[in-house]
Amino acid sequence: DAGVIQSPRHEVTEMGQEVTLRCKPISGHNSLFWYRQTMMRGLELLIYFNNNVPIDDSGMPEDRFSAKMPNASFSTLKIQPSEPRDSAVYFCASSRGRVNTEAFFGQGTRLTVV
Amino acid sequence: DQQVKQNSPSLSVQEGRISILNCDYTNSMFDYFLWYKKYPAEGPTFLISISSIKDKNEDGRFTVFLNKSAKHLSLHIVPSQPGDSAVYFCAALRRTSYDKVIFGPGTSLSVIP
Repeated sequence: DAGVIQSPRHEVTEMGQEVTLRCKPISGHNSLFWYRQTMMRGLELLIYFNNNVPIDDSGMPEDRFSAKMPNASFSTLKIQPSEPRDSAVYFCASSRGRVNTEAFFGQGTRLTVV
Repeated sequence: DQQVKQNSPSLSVQEGRISILNCDYTNSMFDYFLWYKKYPAEGPTFLISISSIKDKNEDGRFTVFLNKSAKHLSLHIVPSQPGDSAVYFCAALRRTSYDKVIFGPGTSLSVIP
């Protein structure tokens, strides 16, 4: 299995632009998680899905952030409009079952908003 | 309010010696704990876990100890190897409540050859 696949690996965008991050979870995993890593706050859970349904989005910082999971093999995290403070590494992870034990992480997308 | 704390941002250890990474938590409802390891430019990878019904779990060179009364856990790496140099994240959750995982801020371990 190729593992969790995220794209792009790096994204540099101007403030105010829309940014879309993509994730393909491991086949057969029915839970998917979006995390953000910053120096100040470490690894924060933004949202997680179980069987394509959002279960907890309390970590989404504000309305500029949205996430979708249209099917079991694809998810997007969108920021519109982007701001410099959104600059971070965004990780997608997946796991079997509903509980996030032993989740498998993608390599992350490093987002820079200038 | 940080529910999972790793008070040492960094740690340096000589190759062959023991590395001890510490983690404290505040939520007594946590019942499952995990350690993840992260290399630069890669995502975290699961290393070892422990349920609250145990006080020790061992996997090769890695052992996790849990002290529930102190709300403290530690990861021991013996012997330490240069390839162990990475950031180690402690994480906790209430598995019985299908709750989300809370990560600590991480400790950067450097194993010096």
